[in-house]
Amino acid sequence: KAGVTQTPRYLIKTRGQQVTLSCSPISGHRSVSWYQQTPGQGLQFLFEYFSETQRNKGNFPGRFSGRQFSNSRSEMNVSTLELGDSALYLCASSLTSGGGTDTQYFGPGTRLTVL
Amino acid sequence: DAKTTQPNSMESNEEEPVHLPCNHSTISGTDYIHWYRQLPSQGPEYVIHGLTSNVNNRMASLAIAEDRKSSTLILHRATLRDAAVYYCILRPWGIQGAQKLVFGQGTRLTINP
Repeated sequence: KAGVTQTPRYLIKTRGQQVTLSCSPISGHRSVSWYQQTPGQGLQFLFEYFSETQRNKGNFPGRFSGRQFSNSRSEMNVSTLELGDSALYLCASSLTSGGGTDTQYFGPGTRLTVL
Repeated sequence: DAKTTQPNSMESNEEEPVHLPCNHSTISGTDYIHWYRQLPSQGPEYVIHGLTSNVNNRMASLAIAEDRKSSTLILHRATLRDAAVYYCILRPWGIQGAQKLVFGQGTRLTINP
């Protein structure tokens, strides 16, 4: 079974631009979560989608948004990029939207650099 | 979100056992204890999880204290490939939207050849 794939792997943008990152979950997985990883703040939860609905959201400004399609693929968008948005963006998929015993499978991430 | 405390770093030698501690004194009765690790230049990967009893899988063992306020991840024979940042995470059971993993700073494990 193929793992979680993220595209693109690397991206360079300038301040003020917007960017869209894509995530394809493991086949059969319906939950997709997004995380931001920076050296200063570590790994932080952005949001989770399950069956095309946002189920949970982290503490990020409205410039960060996402969506999920009927095939469970997900995209996240960051508008009006700031230098501080430079980070590794990770996508994780899981079978369900429940907690407890469910396992999240992470992709390799998209490295975004904002100049 | 329930909090976990881990040492910032640990060091061990190849082929020796490694015990990675985690304190979670505010754990609730329905919190599962999960461990993930992040190898260099990769996304995190699941290692093991448990609720009350000790657990074993092909990667590691998880020892949970009787009062559940602490746990220890055990790598029985460390290899160089086990060098990573290890995260101990508490996950509530059965709560909608509980896919939010709250990562702390984790423990950076160095393995010496």
